[in-house]
Amino acid sequence: KNQVEQSPQSLIILEGKNCTLQCNYTVSPFSNLRWYKQDTGRGPVSLTIMTFSENTKSNGRYTATLDADTKQSSLHITASQLSDSASYICVVTTDSWGKLQFGAGTQVVVTP
Amino acid sequence: NAGVTQTPKFQVLKTGQSMTLQCAQDMNHNSMYWYRQDPGMGLRLIYYSASEGTTDKGEVPNGYNVSRLNKREFSLRLESAAPSQTSVYFCASSPQSGTRYGYTFGSGTRLTVV
Repeated sequence: KNQVEQSPQSLIILEGKNCTLQCNYTVSPFSNLRWYKQDTGRGPVSLTIMTFSENTKSNGRYTATLDADTKQSSLHITASQLSDSASYICVVTTDSWGKLQFGAGTQVVVTP
Repeated sequence: NAGVTQTPKFQVLKTGQSMTLQCAQDMNHNSMYWYRQDPGMGLRLIYYSASEGTTDKGEVPNGYNVSRLNKREFSLRLESAAPSQTSVYFCASSPQSGTRYGYTFGSGTRLTVV
């Protein structure tokens, strides 16, 4: 069973609308949580990195939240643009070595 | 542009053939990684090199070998390709192997084994 679960698996939103993606994890011990954006045919690109003590971090129109007590994170996309169409991957880092546990991703499609 | 470069971008192999995937980074990073990405699954670590001269197995190393040729280059070899190795392979690098370092990924190699 994957230790990083993302929902929904996919979603379609209209350009200009907001959306929120969810990530639940069971990874322990926890070091930090990352959100990546992966465009089709490209490698993942980092959006945010949050440590245990941080509960929110923004990168432009992307805002990530973290509740380390409930082991949940969300990524909020504000005023979506066509270029936001991509897979968004939640990644939890564990142990001192820095091992990454990847979620399967949420595929977002923004339509005009 | 600085980053991680992977070659080739696409490859089709017959079962039993061998090939080497190449990866090079120009960011002076110490640590490098090979991942595979399969539909519906998260990226899984095949091998990593925490620093030049060292390599270690990741989560799914069977059927693969690696070489850290120098600080810049980290190659992945399939000695006898199998259909189960059909996947998209990503190389990544980070300044060090600790928890607080960001990873930079290449654009991937899409491999099909028939």
